[in-house]
Parts: sequence; structure tokens; C-alpha cells
Amino acid sequence: QKEVEQNSGPLSVPEGAIASLNCTYSDRGSQSFFWYRQYSGKSPELIMFIYSNGDKEDGRFTAQLNKASQYVSLLIRDSQPSDSATYLCAVNRGASGGSYIPTFGRGTSLIVHP
Amino acid sequence: GAVVSQHPSRVICKSGTSVKIECRSLDFQATTMFWYRQFPKKSLMLMATSNEGSKATYEQGVEKDKFLINHASLTLSTLTVTSAHPEDSSFYICSAVQGAAGKLFFGSGTQLSVL
Repeated sequence: QKEVEQNSGPLSVPEGAIASLNCTYSDRGSQSFFWYRQYSGKSPELIMFIYSNGDKEDGRFTAQLNKASQYVSLLIRDSQPSDSATYLCAVNRGASGGSYIPTFGRGTSLIVHP
Repeated sequence: GAVVSQHPSRVICKSGTSVKIECRSLDFQATTMFWYRQFPKKSLMLMATSNEGSKATYEQGVEKDKFLINHASLTLSTLTVTSAHPEDSSFYICSAVQGAAGKLFFGSGTQLSVL
């Protein structure tokens, strides 16, 4: 059974702080790793993807991947109240692994308070 | 990012009627699309995988005769909820796969309310 684990939260951080969201996965065949943001009542939106070990930065967002530890994280710097949402971690095996079907975590609720 | 259009965004129907939801990838071709449903404050639940030119693959427990999926082209997949009942009321979301790594781009979702 492929699993993706996330702390459901809520994670509460003050405005301007760094929010750190974590995710672990069980399938060692996973090749592609994604973070989606979902506002209440809306559909998910892709915000970051990472394929290789290490860090990947895009604006205020940094994704970190450690395949040996089966761990992926998302850091949000200078958190804003508009970042308040549920963050979904997802993994898949990709084309080389023979499956695009993603396994999603249950999501972490982030609250950024002014 | 890529754009996926989903229509309608909201539909209210009477019990026993059928409802069709369309999902279009506007600026890329999608061999594979996924259909999800989501209840308030709950996780995404994968219903089926839609592959262009072939039959959809349904997840365990999802009735394929009730949730008809057609992926007629590389840019369009449809979900038809047949003989809808109040328990089918939910938020339905489609997503399209872009690229070899399997990035998902989601439609805006359809809120179905069956009276």
C-alpha cells in the first residue's frame, strides 16, 4: 500500500515567519514529488514540484527532497495571511516508473495570523 | 502553468436526472485525466483514471455504470453522473496530467447538489 503521510495540523504561524510543512512517503519507486495548495471550497493548485534530491527554490517557496529518508518538505518564507490554506503533498512514479497515478497525503492546514 | 477548464462550476438537479461535467485541457494535450470527488474538509478521493481512446479505470467501490467517463480526445474528458441521488452530492474535480513527470493541473471543480 502506497502511503503519503502529512501532519493534518493546523500549523499556525505568525505573518512574516517561515512555515515548514513535512511529508513522508512509503513507495521507494516514487520519482516525482509535488506540493499543491487548496483553499477552502476550491480545487488544488500546483505550487512546487521536485524530482531530485536537494532543494528547489521558487520565490518564497522552497521544496526539499531526501529520497534516502523518503521525506519531502515545503518551506514558505515571509508567510502571508493569503498563504492560509491546506497544502497537499503528492508523489507518483512518473513515466519511467510506469504510473502517473498520484498518491496524495491528507493535507496540512496552514494558518498564518496577522 | 497549464490551464484546465471544468464546467459547470455548480449544478443543482432533481433526483433521478443525469448530469454531465466537462473537463478540458486548454493549452496542452492530456492523454490521462483523473476524476476526484471531495466532501467538505475531507481528502481528495480518486474515482477513476481517464485515458484517451480507451476505457476508464475505476477505483474500487466506484460504480462505473453510475459514473460514466468518456475521454474522446486529447483535450476533453467528461463525467456523467447517471440517475443522480442526494448521496451523489459532492464536489467533483478533474485533473489533467502534463508531461512525463506527471504534473497535475486541476479544473476548478463542480459542486453537485441533488435534491
